Amino acid sequence: KNQVEQSPQSLIILEGKNCTLQCNYTVSPFSNLRWYKQDTGRGPVSLTIMTFSENTKSNGRYTATLDADTKQSSLHITASQLSDSASYICVVSASGGSYIPTFGRGTSLIVHP
Amino acid sequence: DAGITQSPRHKVTETGTPVTLRCHQTENHRYMYWYRQDPGHGLRLIHYSYGVKDTDKGEVSDGYSVSRSKTEDFLLTLESATSSQTSVYFCAISDRTGPSGNTIYFGEGSWLTVV
Repeated sequence: KNQVEQSPQSLIILEGKNCTLQCNYTVSPFSNLRWYKQDTGRGPVSLTIMTFSENTKSNGRYTATLDADTKQSSLHITASQLSDSASYICVVSASGGSYIPTFGRGTSLIVHP
Repeated sequence: DAGITQSPRHKVTETGTPVTLRCHQTENHRYMYWYRQDPGHGLRLIHYSYGVKDTDKGEVSDGYSVSRSKTEDFLLTLESATSSQTSVYFCAISDRTGPSGNTIYFGEGSWLTVV
């Protein structure tokens, strides 16, 4: 069964600090991995997409890494801001006929001033 | 932002009444989805559609039905609402074409409370 596990479940950091969120998956055959940011009361918004051949992708202060061999991804947030407080969701899609991606349960990040 | 409109955005209804949530898209994407999001469970797929009149069940489909008579509209119906269906419902769309194929775009959510 395809699964996506995220850790930690929640995280509290001080403004200006860096943090790293983890995503482990068992989706096979792998097609792509996305990180989404979901602000409270809003729908999720895509931050990055990574395919099998990519191991790093940046979007401003967000940097995602992918190790397809170990089936792990991380999302690193640099110099955190209060606006980074949100839930971060890892989503993995399989190649082939399936168009139903597998969602992680998300990591809730709180940035304190 | 992807052109996705959900309606109503907020609704309070009584147990046993029927409820229909509407999702309208202006992107002409082939795939449409309904998810529910609850604390501790993340986003869970209720039903999805891969074309007009083509729908299938997701992991939490009991008590829900859907219809898609046009590319742009995907309706979610709770035939007889129960308190366990109190949740936030998200519509999503995707298209498998292009280098970013299969990116899922989400609507802003519909908050449903069943009392």
